[in-house]
Amino acid sequence: ETGVTQTPRHLVMGMTNKKSLKCEQHLGHNAMYWYKQSAKKPLELMFVYNFKEQTENNSVPSRFSPECPNSSHLFLHLHTLQPEDSALYLCASTSGPGNIQYFGAGTRLSVL
Amino acid sequence: EDQVTQSPEALRLQEGESSSLNCSYTVSGLRGLFWYRQDPGKGPEFLFTLYSAGEEKEKERLKATLTKKERFLHITAPKPEDSATYLCAVQPFETSGSRLTFGEGTQLTVNP
Repeated sequence: ETGVTQTPRHLVMGMTNKKSLKCEQHLGHNAMYWYKQSAKKPLELMFVYNFKEQTENNSVPSRFSPECPNSSHLFLHLHTLQPEDSALYLCASTSGPGNIQYFGAGTRLSVL
Repeated sequence: EDQVTQSPEALRLQEGESSSLNCSYTVSGLRGLFWYRQDPGKGPEFLFTLYSAGEEKEKERLKATLTKKERFLHITAPKPEDSATYLCAVQPFETSGSRLTFGEGTQLTVNP
């Protein structure tokens, strides 16, 4: 399998549930990202990891908790979400600054 | 704060009718300008990166141009399969972790 793979593709959860999104990249990259894409809004950067270390948290609420166990895997743990958190969550990876970011297909999240 | 504005928000073309999509931005120093294509329900797909004024890149019916004043994605004789949302993103020199700032996109529809 090549590229950036995200699972699940679709997720429906209640506000009291706990769920996790998974991202895996097979490109040998060392930087990974979580973005949020809401309707009629630009992609919003959430978190950046370089060599497994979090280098950026874009003022994301604590109900979103990222985890990067190695350079190929990235998780986003979700708990007590709000309906306004419903969006497309995208994972991306790159080999370094100035280089192309490759995106996964995203997880469509609906919070009821 | 870095900002990217794309125009028009939506564009309807007849097959074969050429046009341009515009990207304007306010950043203190540009490391790179990126164009992506996004189909409904999918992640952004990389098209081009431009790094310096005077640079142009082409791919099939698409040509991306970067000058000191103009940043265009020109589409020549489009086909219905070119229908998608086209995203522009910039990466400033000061950014860490390869942060990209995205515009809202131009939704292109090409009618047969």
